[in-house]
Amino acid sequence: TQLLEQSPQFLSIQEGENLTVYCNSSSVFSSLQWYRQEPGEGPVLLVTVVTGGEVKKLKRLTFQFGDARKDSSLHITAAQPGDTGLYLCAGVGAGGTSYGKLTFGQGTILTVHP
Amino acid sequence: DAMVIQNPRYQVTQFGKPVTLSCSQTLNHNVMYWYQQKSSQAPKLLFHYYDKDFNNEADTPDNFQSRRPNTSFCFLDIRSPGLGDAAMYLCATSREGGWGTEAFFGQGTRLTVV
Repeated sequence: TQLLEQSPQFLSIQEGENLTVYCNSSSVFSSLQWYRQEPGEGPVLLVTVVTGGEVKKLKRLTFQFGDARKDSSLHITAAQPGDTGLYLCAGVGAGGTSYGKLTFGQGTILTVHP
Repeated sequence: DAMVIQNPRYQVTQFGKPVTLSCSQTLNHNVMYWYQQKSSQAPKLLFHYYDKDFNNEADTPDNFQSRRPNTSFCFLDIRSPGLGDAAMYLCATSREGGWGTEAFFGQGTRLTVV
């Protein structure tokens, strides 16, 4: 079973602060995705990282995939109240019985106060 | 345009009364997933289809079954819903299981058991 450890589980910050969310595993993933979910809605894909060491930027969000393809991070610069939500990392299994299976971390509930 | 459509958005069922949730996709993806998500938690994979091949998670209760009659449709059957089965149920699809896989989610069906 491939497990993804996401931290922190809860994050409450003031508008304008920076934050980083981590996603770690002992397993190798063929790709890793980050989602944002609003209450009552399904997760919406933010980014997919595929190559070890890859860095992708989406406005104020920076995503990084570890060199060994086992971990990832999401960094938000100058957080805004509109960034509030549940952030989920999910890894796609690279082989064996986990091939193609999308497994989620525990999620991070981010609250940005005005 | 919605690509993964779940019906209904909200479902109320009686304790012990069988219920079926449906998912359809216009993406022609060969992988379809069913997840259970409880409040403020990460989605938990129940099972997934890789084409017609059914893959059940080891800890998915026998109470949960699934059918995939064709590429576009997938159903989640809960044979005897209990109060603990109240949750958001998410359907997702992906093109393949390999490198760079991205999953697309429906808006979910919120199930209430009374």
